[in-house]
Amino acid sequence: EAGVVQSPRYKIIEKKQPVAFWCNPISGHNTLYWYLQNLGQGPELLIRYENEEAVDDSQLPKDRFSAERLKGVDSTLKIQPAELGDSAVYLCASSPGWGGGRETQYFGPGTRLLVL
Amino acid sequence: AQKITQTQPGMFVQEKEAVTLDCTYDTSDQSYGLFWYKQPSSGEMIFLIYQGSYDEQNATEGRYSLNFQKARKSANLVISASQLGDSAMYFCAMREGGGGADGLTFGKGTHLIIQP
Repeated sequence: EAGVVQSPRYKIIEKKQPVAFWCNPISGHNTLYWYLQNLGQGPELLIRYENEEAVDDSQLPKDRFSAERLKGVDSTLKIQPAELGDSAVYLCASSPGWGGGRETQYFGPGTRLLVL
Repeated sequence: AQKITQTQPGMFVQEKEAVTLDCTYDTSDQSYGLFWYKQPSSGEMIFLIYQGSYDEQNATEGRYSLNFQKARKSANLVISASQLGDSAMYFCAMREGGGGADGLTFGKGTHLIIQP
């Protein structure tokens, strides 16, 4: 079974430019997450989707970040415009959905973003 | 207050020795889940083990076991017979509430280095 796929793996852009990250979750997983991981820190949740619906986006900086999950499968996370402080690893994860509290989240390899 | 505390930024352990990675958590929920993930230098987060707050027995997965002490709010990871390939960052994480698909809160991690 294929794992969570993310692209690109690496991205270097200049500040004020837009950037987009793509995620394809494990087949059949209804729940999709985007996390941000700064250097030397643990991941922090940005947004959670249940199928097409964003059910928790309280930590997403909505002035510059946006996300979508059309058709409840693939998802795209966008930053516009990017700032120097956005340099980090962006992780996508998926889980099967409601499982009585035992849901495990499976992570993709992440996209390493460097903003110059 | 931090919800997940990992007090060991780094650890050096001799190969074949057992190692304990510390994790304490803070929550007022009665229902919650605790996870450990491994993050090698390649960057992906690998799920290791899960413990539910109502589970009476400590979780075990191969060489990994979770020493769950509910009254002390402690969920330490024990790796038996360490191997060189165990060298990585290790993150403790918590999901609060009874919802199966909520986002995780991660600690800052412990960098484990196994020496030959």
